[in-house]
Amino acid sequence: SSELTQPPSVSVSPGQTASITCSGDNLGDSFVYWYQQKPGQSPFLVMSQDNRRPSGVPARFSGSNSGRTATLTISETQASDEGDYYCQAWDSSSLVFGGGTKLTVL
Amino acid sequence: VQLVQSGPEVKKSGESLKISCQGSGYTFTGYWVAWVRQMPGKGLEWLGIIYPGDSDTRYSPSSQGQVTISADRSTNTASLEWSSLKATDTGMYYCAVAGQAINFGVSGGFDFWGQGTLVTVSS
Repeated sequence: SSELTQPPSVSVSPGQTASITCSGDNLGDSFVYWYQQKPGQSPFLVMSQDNRRPSGVPARFSGSNSGRTATLTISETQASDEGDYYCQAWDSSSLVFGGGTKLTVL
Repeated sequence: VQLVQSGPEVKKSGESLKISCQGSGYTFTGYWVAWVRQMPGKGLEWLGIIYPGDSDTRYSPSSQGQVTISADRSTNTASLEWSSLKATDTGMYYCAVAGQAINFGVSGGFDFWGQGTLVTVSS
């Protein structure tokens, strides 16, 4: 997974489901992590090891990883979910981040 | 768990700099600490990682030779250092701790992050 590709932006209406993808060669062979970053704040881990929610992350957040694509899904999206989302995985001994996806809740 | 980073820095090209990240609320020597850069308006970029327990350090291919990562077990502090800054080093630098063991090439994410240190380098 030397390069991870994310869509630059995703828009969703409040209450609907948002899906953010992350693609890379053989991505399914390693675990994927997802971070949320709001303006002026540090990144925050929202999904660990493909589909494990850290303590305090709402159950509306879920994750999957198979083949070349990992997906972070946010159901019943709220305005507070707006921000930039980054996927992260390991490629040999190097850590790689995706380019980030800006989630807009309109 | 708390990671407190040193304050903002304004430097000139060619100058040296060392920024720090002090951990508390956990066993500093038992968890990997990473450094991540975010250039203005851009995404996250991994620079490297250190295990304070034995100072095992790994660098990203792009940061190898450009920065030095170290850890001081006596003060629970990890550091990121430049010997000669460039204008392109301008950005926000975060330290982050992996809450679980890292299996290089397979697994390892970062549960806790510092507040960031803004480094501005003028030419």
